[in-house]
Amino acid sequence: DAGVTQSPTHLIKTRGQQVTLRCSPKSGHDTVSWYQQALGQGPQFIFQYYEEEERQRGNFPDRFSGHQFPNYSSELNVNALLLGDSALYLCASSLEPFRGGNYNEQFFGPGTRLTVL
Amino acid sequence: GENVEQHPSTLSVQEGDSAVIKCTYSDSASNYFPWYKQELGKRPQLIIDIRSNVGEKKDQRIAVTLNKTAKHFSLHITETQPEDSAVYFCAAMPEGGYQKVTFGTGTKLQVIP
Repeated sequence: DAGVTQSPTHLIKTRGQQVTLRCSPKSGHDTVSWYQQALGQGPQFIFQYYEEEERQRGNFPDRFSGHQFPNYSSELNVNALLLGDSALYLCASSLEPFRGGNYNEQFFGPGTRLTVL
Repeated sequence: GENVEQHPSTLSVQEGDSAVIKCTYSDSASNYFPWYKQELGKRPQLIIDIRSNVGEKKDQRIAVTLNKTAKHFSLHITETQPEDSAVYFCAAMPEGGYQKVTFGTGTKLQVIP
C-alpha cells in the first residue's frame, strides 16, 4: 500500500495563473481533505470531499475549488494565483464514518510545495 | 468556528528530560483530539489521539491528557531522544461525519544531545 500520494511534489507559478494539484487516497479510504500549510504554520482546512461532493469547507475563497473522482482520487484547483497562495498543500484521506473503522484518523500525503512568483 | 491555541511555540530540552506541550480549544462540540509530528520537509504523522470519553492515554513514552471541562489537552513526552526533535501539532475536531480538523500553530521541539 503506497499510502496517500500527491503530485506534483513541487510547482512554480506566476501570479494570475491557475494550478491543479492531485491526490490519491490510501487504499480503502473514500474521503479526501485538503489543507494549506504556510511556512511555520499549522495546516489550514480547505475542504473535504466524499462521494464526489464537497461536504465541508474552511475559510477559503471561491478561487479554491476541488473535485473527487469515482475512484476517490481528488484534485485541488486554485485560480488567479496570489503570492499569498505560496504554501505546502497537503491532502489527507480517511474512512467515512458510517463504513466503520477508525474513521477519525487521517493519513497525510507528502504534500505539494507551491511557489507563486 | 473552532479555535485551537498551542503553547509553547518553541521548546528546547536536554536528552532524557520530559517535554510538555499544551493546547486549548474553544468549541465544546470538539471531542476528538489528535497530535501530529512533522519532521522537516515531511508530512504530518499521527502519533497519539484521545477522545473525550477518556481523560488520559499513554503509548510508551508519549501520553496525552484531556480536561474537557477546561477545554485543554496536553502532550507529554518522557525520556526525550534526539529523534523526537520535530514540530508537533495538536488538533481538535468533532467526532462525526464531517471531519473538519482545526490545528494548533505548532511547537518546535529541539532535543539537545
